[in-house]
Amino acid sequence: DTAVSQTPKYLVTQMGNDKSIKCEQNLGHDTMYWYKQDSKKFLKIMFSYNNKELIINETVPNRFSPKSPDKAHLNLHINSLELGDSAVYFCASSQEPPLLAGALNIQYFGAGTRLSVL
Amino acid sequence: RKEVEQDPGPFNVPEGATVAFNCTYSNSASQSFFWYRQDCRKEPKLLMSVYSSGNEDGRFTAQLNRASQYISLLIRDSKLSDSATYLCVVNSRDNYGQNFVFGPGTRLSVLP
Repeated sequence: DTAVSQTPKYLVTQMGNDKSIKCEQNLGHDTMYWYKQDSKKFLKIMFSYNNKELIINETVPNRFSPKSPDKAHLNLHINSLELGDSAVYFCASSQEPPLLAGALNIQYFGAGTRLSVL
Repeated sequence: RKEVEQDPGPFNVPEGATVAFNCTYSNSASQSFFWYRQDCRKEPKLLMSVYSSGNEDGRFTAQLNRASQYISLLIRDSKLSDSATYLCVVNSRDNYGQNFVFGPGTRLSVLP
């Protein structure tokens, strides 16, 4: 079973369109994240959700809106797509706080969604 | 200064070589540290956590120096399958929750 799953795996779309990427985790974690990895391969956090509450919102354009219907899902909706949005988007999850005392908080990643805006 | 910096690489080494990667971080309040591995066109996967006393997992040894805010990863007897990008990850916790910061990664190519 895939622990963190994202759909779609590939997304090719025109500038100006609106699109969504879905993420689901079956690990029982209560924190989920969205990362963007651009062409230079730098992985940068976009959002973090803990128990359905946004706790990190980096300097991301408001065209990007995360939506969490429940703690197992964190979807990413993007309005008015731009060329610069082309990247790989990774969803991740972790347990905060860790279940075991002294354990480290580890993130598990989905396989990524490769977005190409034409 | 970037929050997490790594050797830019790429590192091209022959099979069997020993290679070391360095990472520095700027947030002295950072609490936990990790090395992740990312294969081409794949997601990052945890390689190992880094403990204050240093830790070893087979051919991989991680060290942490909190005073110098420095983390290292040593790979002994390199295999072709070790070719990947190695990401240093630093985690801190503030009033708003967890904050994971990834370094830019160091690419390793192990050559036959």
